[in-house]
Formats: sequence, C-alpha cells, structure tokens
Amino acid sequence: GQQVMQIPQYQHVQEGEDFTTYCNSSTTLSNIQWYKQRPGGHPVFLIQLVKSGEVKKQKRLTFQFGEAKKNSSLHITATQTTDVGTYFCAGRWSGTYKYIFGTGTRLKVLA
Amino acid sequence: GAVVSQHPSRVICKSGTSVKIECRSLDFQATTMFWYRQFPKQSLMLMATSNEGSKATYEQGVEKDKFLINHASLTLSTLTVTSAHPEDSSFYICSARDQVEEYRYTDTQYFGPGTRLTVL
Repeated sequence: GQQVMQIPQYQHVQEGEDFTTYCNSSTTLSNIQWYKQRPGGHPVFLIQLVKSGEVKKQKRLTFQFGEAKKNSSLHITATQTTDVGTYFCAGRWSGTYKYIFGTGTRLKVLA
Repeated sequence: GAVVSQHPSRVICKSGTSVKIECRSLDFQATTMFWYRQFPKQSLMLMATSNEGSKATYEQGVEKDKFLINHASLTLSTLTVTSAHPEDSSFYICSARDQVEEYRYTDTQYFGPGTRLTVL
C-alpha cells in the first residue's frame, strides 16, 4: 500500500545546531504537508508543498519538495528549545483526498 | 483560524462498553473529516474518512462494525468504539477539511485536540 517513510526516527541536537528530517515515498505524490506535534499535543499544520522542486521558507524552517515529487525535507536552522516536538510529513497521491502520515521524527533540543 | 473540537478529551470505560467521540468544526463547514489513531510515540494511522451525508470509507484492516462513524452534518462527525476492549485504548484524533478550501489551492487539515481512550 501507499506509505511514507521518514528518517531519522529520533534526533538530539544541541541548541543552535541545524536539524533536517527527510520523507520518502516509493511513488509520486500529488502534494505533501508537514506538521509539528508538541509532546502531549495534536498535530499543527506547518506547510503544504505541491510543485516539483518547490522550496518554501518559514523563518528558520526550510521545506523542499523533490523534483520527482517522491521526497521532501524539512530543515531547521539554528534550533531553539521551542523547536522540540515530533515532525510529521503527510503525503497525498493523485486520485485520493486522504493523507498518509510519515513515521515522524522526534526532535530534542539540548540547551 | 479554523478550530476543531473533540469531546470528550479523556474517557475511561469498562471492557465491553461503547464509547462515542465527537468531532466538531467550530467555525467552518467540513464535508470531509478524518479519524486517526495514534499509539504512544508513534505516527498517526488513518482509520477512516468520514463523508457528510454518506457512508464512511474505512482503511484496510479497520473493522467498520467496531468503529462506527457518522457524519450527519457539515460540522459534526462521531466515532463510536463499540464493545471496547483494552487493545482499543489509544489516542484518537480527528481532522477536518474546510469545505471552502477544498476548492482552493490550499488543502489544510485542521486537527482536533484528540481523545485519550482507556479501556479497563
């Protein structure tokens, strides 16, 4: 079935270091979304990528969608303790309106 | 912004009882709502897609007779866990798509705060 793999599963970084999480699909996606879930909270929408090769920035966060629309990445520059949480990608395929979530990357930032 | 509420936030029940969870879009109309299940420290697993005025679409492996979904209005979807057992204990989260945004470029899911179900 359709699935989205996400790596790494966990990442511990020192405050101020950069962080990247990657999502991969074996088949071409229609679009991909990114979410952040704080411990004990619910997923909060961050961004949606639709176009091949698309790059979007939100302050210290940079989101990329691969040329083949099979992979995506989220890069955080100079992490802060407020970045702690689990980052999920969610992919959608053509012909369906549902999203399948990736396995998530749990980020811990050490002060 | 778009707000989705869930009720109850926590529920503890005895094995064999049924539990109903409500998902409401508070300031927008949603023709489509999604129900997810999340185990501790794991990802969100899509259980079913709830469509207003029609039958829900269940994902493979999800028992439709076990997890009854009703989407009777554009602002309310309910998930009923029937004859609950301890293995049904989990965090259940709903999300809703804004009917207006469905016709736009943006296709955001708005998530509810979740319901933690514990079956004794």
